[in-house]
Amino acid sequence: DQQVKQNSPSLSVQEGRISILNCDYTNSMFDYFLWYKKYPAEGPTFLISISSIKDKNEDGRFTVFLNKSAKHLSLHIVPSQPGDSAVYFCAASRLSGGSYIPTFGRGTSLIVHP
Amino acid sequence: DVKVTQSSRYLVKRTGEKVFLECVQDMDHENMFWYRQDPGLGLRLIYFSYDVKMKEKGDIPEGYSVSREKKERFSLILESASTNQTSMYLCASSSPPSDTQYFGPGTRLTVL
Repeated sequence: DQQVKQNSPSLSVQEGRISILNCDYTNSMFDYFLWYKKYPAEGPTFLISISSIKDKNEDGRFTVFLNKSAKHLSLHIVPSQPGDSAVYFCAASRLSGGSYIPTFGRGTSLIVHP
Repeated sequence: DVKVTQSSRYLVKRTGEKVFLECVQDMDHENMFWYRQDPGLGLRLIYFSYDVKMKEKGDIPEGYSVSREKKERFSLILESASTNQTSMYLCASSSPPSDTQYFGPGTRLTVL
């Protein structure tokens, strides 16, 4: 039973346009959300996060939106660049033993065409 | 910069062998994690550890065990490797309050 769902396995976007990656979760105990980016043959790297007390967090070209009532978050990349081509994992975390433990989605492969 | 290293990038083992995957982090993080990544299944948590000698089961612990004798080192053990354990194994570490996870480069394990 998937608690974190990324329903689009892949997304193709033209360079310069907006990329929107979506993520849905089911467990209302999750209160901290993150996006990670993964290139082939490398480990995932942290991209951006958002706490459940916010609905938006922005870092340069990357913005994460959180809709708690819908249990939905999205990552916007504007403008998209070919170097953004990677697999993006959404993670939802809940507090356990004093630390946040994440549950990851299955990932969305983003391809940005020049 | 946080550095998480894994002992091997590629490993080939035979069914029934005992396999050790080692992970070392250099940022004095409290928490360490082992995941496996499979196509279409994303990252699945095998085990994690809050502190030395402490371990907690993740979502798919069957067939695996772990050891954390020192804070910087977290080992994943496959007591008797099976072909369905062929996968990419990723180690990560983190610390409160941010709990951002820092990942190693991964070990691609093939069990024949």
